[in-house]
Amino acid sequence: EAGVAQSPRYKIIEKRQSVAFWCNPISGHATLYWYQQILGQGPKLLIQFQNNGVVDDSQLPKDRFSAERLKGVDSTLKIQPAKLEDSAVYLCASSLGPVTQYFGPGTRLLVL
Amino acid sequence: LAKTTQPISMDSYEGQEVNITCSHNNIATNDYITWYQQFPSQGPRFIIQGYKTKVTNEVASLFIPADRKSSTLSLPRVSLSDTAVYYCLVARNTGGFKTIFGAGTRLFVKA
Repeated sequence: EAGVAQSPRYKIIEKRQSVAFWCNPISGHATLYWYQQILGQGPKLLIQFQNNGVVDDSQLPKDRFSAERLKGVDSTLKIQPAKLEDSAVYLCASSLGPVTQYFGPGTRLLVL
Repeated sequence: LAKTTQPISMDSYEGQEVNITCSHNNIATNDYITWYQQFPSQGPRFIIQGYKTKVTNEVASLFIPADRKSSTLSLPRVSLSDTAVYYCLVARNTGGFKTIFGAGTRLFVKA
């Protein structure tokens, strides 16, 4: 079974530029999550989708971050404009059952 | 959602049993306890989950006392490759399970 796919794996941009990350969850998984993980910290949930509807986006900085999950499968997370403090690893996860989440390898973002 | 508290770090030697305890004093009746493992440059990986008493799989055991205000992850006979960060989470069903990661416990296994 293929795991959660994410791209790109690495991205370097300058502040005020925009960037987008892509996630393909495990086939059949209805729930998709985007996390931000800053070095030395645990993952912080940005947004959670159930199919193509948003379940929780309470910690998403909506003035600069946006996410969509068209057709309830793939998802994209966008940052526009990026700030220095957005430098982090962005993790995508998906789940079929109620608890177990399967994580992708993450996208490492560096904002200069 | 119940906040979890774990030790920041632990050291161990190869072959020893490691027990990592997590407190979750405000756990609710329908909450589940879940543990994840994360290696550097990788996403977290599910280890084990439980509701009460004891759960065991091929990787670890999870002990949960009757009051469920804490839980202990037990790793038998650790090896160098078990060096990682271990996260204790409480998962709550809010129409899709909601979880919050804490800072985790950094386990360092020495030869």
